[in-house]
Amino acid sequence: GESVGLHLPTLSVQEGDNSIINCAYSNSASDYFIWYKQESGKGPQFIIDIRSNMDKRQGQRVTVLLNKTVKHLSLQIAATQPGDSAVYFCAENGDYKLSFGAGTTVTVRA
Amino acid sequence: GAVVSQHPSWVICKSGTSVKIECRSLDFQATTMFWYRQFPKQSLMLMATSNEGSKATYEQGVEKDKFLINHASLTLSTLTVTSAHPEDSSFYICSASPDPLSSYEQYFGPGTRLTVT
Repeated sequence: GESVGLHLPTLSVQEGDNSIINCAYSNSASDYFIWYKQESGKGPQFIIDIRSNMDKRQGQRVTVLLNKTVKHLSLQIAATQPGDSAVYFCAENGDYKLSFGAGTTVTVRA
Repeated sequence: GAVVSQHPSWVICKSGTSVKIECRSLDFQATTMFWYRQFPKQSLMLMATSNEGSKATYEQGVEKDKFLINHASLTLSTLTVTSAHPEDSSFYICSASPDPLSSYEQYFGPGTRLTVT
């Protein structure tokens, strides 16, 4: 089946800088997208979601952008903090199930 | 709210034995539960979807006779890994959805680390 993929496996960012994590999806029928944060040895933690009828959604320090034309999703984290160090997954909802991307490991430098 | 627990958090078993993992929704009723498997430094892969009172739907390539799923109540689903082998060692994560037949709203458990020796 189709799956979601991420462009970069790792991202190193200076504390206080903004982070941008990218994701490409392939199922044009997906209508709902979610970003998750996973810390080592833990389950995924919901960050933010967006429906396909939107192109931008903002949360606390996070923004998700959706470009359906090129099937691209991004997560922006403002003023990255050490606690943001984790693996970030995008997921798409299609066919009554979630498909996860490969994940991007974010490391925050002090 | 919307807390999902898993038990045990980690387990070590010998090759050939069976292991049961529990997934509980603590403060909501979950008509649908999902089981995922995650190998080191890899993504989550959906294994199966279970609906309370009916048979689980397995993803392609997942052996239903090896990974037995029971969703006997609206707050509990179990995954039994039968005749476990070292290649079954993985991080098993469940999620629960309060919305019937919907995968939009999923709450994830903390995961269970299975090591087969």
